[in-house]
Parts: sequence; C-alpha cells; structure tokens
Amino acid sequence: SQKIEQNSEALNIQEGKTATLTCNYTNYSPAYLQWYRQDPGRGPVFLLLIRENEKEKRKERLKVTFDTTLKQSLFHITASQPADSATYLCAISDNTDKLIFGTGTRLQVFP
Amino acid sequence: EPEVTQTPSHQVTQMGQEVILRCVPISNHLYFYWYRQILGQKVEFLVSFYNNEISEKSEIFDDQFSVERPDGSNFTLKIRSTKLEDSAMYFCASTGVGGFNTGELFFGEGSRLTVL
Repeated sequence: SQKIEQNSEALNIQEGKTATLTCNYTNYSPAYLQWYRQDPGRGPVFLLLIRENEKEKRKERLKVTFDTTLKQSLFHITASQPADSATYLCAISDNTDKLIFGTGTRLQVFP
Repeated sequence: EPEVTQTPSHQVTQMGQEVILRCVPISNHLYFYWYRQILGQKVEFLVSFYNNEISEKSEIFDDQFSVERPDGSNFTLKIRSTKLEDSAMYFCASTGVGGFNTGELFFGEGSRLTVL
C-alpha cells in the first residue's frame, strides 16, 4: 500500500541547534515533494518544493534533500528559534491532481 | 498579500442537516481544492476542481459531498446530510497556472465543522 511516513513523536531541540525532520514514502514515484508548516488551528503554509532531479534545495535557514533511491526527504532548519515551533508536513503528488500529506512531525524549540 | 478566505470559521450543526462551506480562492488561480483534517489526524485530500469540473476526488468524497463555483469567485463545498464523522476542519486551497506541482498550494484558515 502507499504510505507517507513522518516521525509521529515530537522533536524537541534547543534554540540554535539544527532540527532535522524525516519523510519516507513507499509505493509512490513522485516528481515533486513539498514541505509545509502548520500551526495549531491554522491552515498549512508552503515552505519549499523540490523536484525529483534536484538533490537539495535551500531557502534562508531551511534546507530540503530528496533521495528518490531511498524514497526519503530530509528537512533541516538551521539555527532554530522558538518561533520555528510548529508541525511540519511532507506532501507528495502521485502524478494525479492531488497532493497527499504525511501525518506531520511536531517540532518544539526550547530557549 | 493575496489570500484564500473561508467562511464560516466555525459551524455547529445537527446530524442530518445540510452544510455549505464557502471559500474565495486567490483571484487569478485556476485550480481549487478541498481538504479536511479530523482533530489530531493528517490533512486529507477530498476533491480538486479545474475548468469548472471535478478533476480528482478521494474515497471520502462520496455522494453526500458536492462542490460548485457558482459565480467565478466563490468555491463551495456542500455536505447534504451531515454525519458525526464529518466533524473536522475543512481547508480550501488554490494554486495558479501549472497546478501545485510547479508551485505552492495556498490554504485558507479553515472552517471548523462540528456535527452533533
């Protein structure tokens, strides 16, 4: 069956450290993978998109990698801040007109 | 900055009643979506809409659900006869030319539906 798996346990890190979140998928061959941020009670907010032919994408303190062999994407936040505390969602397209989300990983950054 | 707006922010209804959730997508967008999120669970795809017709729908989107773009600006989700399990946050989203595969999906802030 098709799955998108993110660590369901919350990730707790200290301010200033790098947070690394993982997204694994099975039985998909996505051409694109996206990462979103979701705050409690709010809609998801787009962060980054990475294509299958791109190994890495950066935007300010954010970095995403995409390994189509491992079927995995890693999402890094460097120099993390308490304001980065949120749930981060991985999403892929199965080449139809729908974007499928993982369960998300909650990140908590402590001062 | 343009945004997707949704109304109502919260609706409480009795089981069996009809509910209409409204969305105003970003004005030059062409692709429209409804997602839902049951409390504590993942964001689930319901339906996509392009060129005034449904382009994709999930198993959740059964005959009780319908979507409409009645006037070129609003995009509505109707649930004909609500069930307890329809209680969730419903998100509208839109994106521009090329669809979400070439860019971001813009989400509204959601409409929380509570079915009693």
